[in-house]
Amino acid sequence: AQTVTQSQPEMSVQEAETVTLSCTYDTSESNYYLFWYKQPPSRQMILVIRQEAYKQQNATENRFSVNFQKAAKSFSLKISDSQLGDTAMYFCAFTSGTYKYIFGTGTRLKVLA
Amino acid sequence: SQTIHQWPATLVQPVGSPLSLECTVEGTSNPNLYWYRQAAGRGLQLLFYSVGIGQISSEVPQNLSASRPQDRQFILSSKKLLLSDSGFYLCAWSKDSSNSPLHFGNGTRLTVT
Repeated sequence: AQTVTQSQPEMSVQEAETVTLSCTYDTSESNYYLFWYKQPPSRQMILVIRQEAYKQQNATENRFSVNFQKAAKSFSLKISDSQLGDTAMYFCAFTSGTYKYIFGTGTRLKVLA
Repeated sequence: SQTIHQWPATLVQPVGSPLSLECTVEGTSNPNLYWYRQAAGRGLQLLFYSVGIGQISSEVPQNLSASRPQDRQFILSSKKLLLSDSGFYLCAWSKDSSNSPLHFGNGTRLTVT
């Protein structure tokens, strides 16, 4: 069975600092897709970044970047220059293209002023 | 551009009453549609997904059902609500391609009293 694990239930970071959120997954598929979603207090789920497994280059979106280690089945999210608006739950998600998207249990990130 | 509408935003219903949550997508055709439930402070549980009109796949046996009467309309229903049905319900859509991310509605907070 495919699983997604986020081992950090809560994290905090000082404003303007850098923080890394961890995500590991388990699959026997060779091609798949990984995503990070942000859920602020409004509870709207917002796509932050995505990574295709066949691409070796790590995805980057402005202050957000990933460290994708396919052999280790690791997909961490790095947030640089953290801002107060980054305070949210962050979910890692996986799909192998079978219509099913599997989510981790989330990491609650608090950015401190 | 594509948009997803989900309503109502908040709902308080007594135990044993029926439920109908509606979700519509605009700006795309033949989307894959999903219903997720999120318990307080927890991850997302996939309830149903649909790849076409009248095609519903259920992930978790429960007190809920889903229907897709039109291409871009997805409805979550229950004949008799249970206390355990309380939660935050999210509708989502994706393009009919394996690497498409999920796009979420704003969610419905359901409280069964």
